[in-house]
Amino acid sequence: DTGVSQDPRHKITKRGQNVTFRCDPISEHNRLYWYRQTLGQGPEFLTYFQNEAQLEKSRLLSDRFSAERPKGSFSTLEIQRTEQGDSAMYLCASSSGGEKLFFGSGTQLSVL
Amino acid sequence: AQSVSQHNHHVILSEAASLELGCNYSYGGTVNLFWYVQYPGQHLQLLLKYFSGDPLVKGIKGFEAEFIKSKFSFNLRKPSVQWSDTAEYFCAVNGNAGKSTFGDGTTLTVKP
Repeated sequence: DTGVSQDPRHKITKRGQNVTFRCDPISEHNRLYWYRQTLGQGPEFLTYFQNEAQLEKSRLLSDRFSAERPKGSFSTLEIQRTEQGDSAMYLCASSSGGEKLFFGSGTQLSVL
Repeated sequence: AQSVSQHNHHVILSEAASLELGCNYSYGGTVNLFWYVQYPGQHLQLLLKYFSGDPLVKGIKGFEAEFIKSKFSFNLRKPSVQWSDTAEYFCAVNGNAGKSTFGDGTTLTVKP
């Protein structure tokens, strides 16, 4: 399968713990996006990279959230000191030109 | 800023009925418009897209959408739905070749 892959699929953590998610985009795609989706809502933009450069961050992305794409390939999204409000599906998508997005299956985060 | 509004949260149809899902967007410049679909248990995938040219665009599985610039609308249509069209449908706008902004989605349930 050469699609976008995300790991883990599910993550349960206790409030206050740190979590890290990984996304492997389609190999030839230079753009990588992180979105967050809660029940009944559409995906909300968090941040995106072009190669290794982080070009835009949403105001939703508090200082507890950090994303990296060190070599312009895979990306990680870390949430420090998790809160119950962080519970959501975290989606990764990639594209070659910023238009059509190819999504992964997401990481479902539950903060207890 | 760009935004998207989807008018219907949940639509229930019988097989063979016609479908129209409303989508209105807000953005001051040239936009790219998309409809994505998420079938139960699957990841988001592109249904169709509009970049320029003919305002009536055709996508997969018999879906089409019409871009009406004066109304800032991009409604999704299908003449005859099938049970397998049961899914969640998201309209999205991309105005600056960076992030895409999504609507909150419409859940379509097709009764056999």
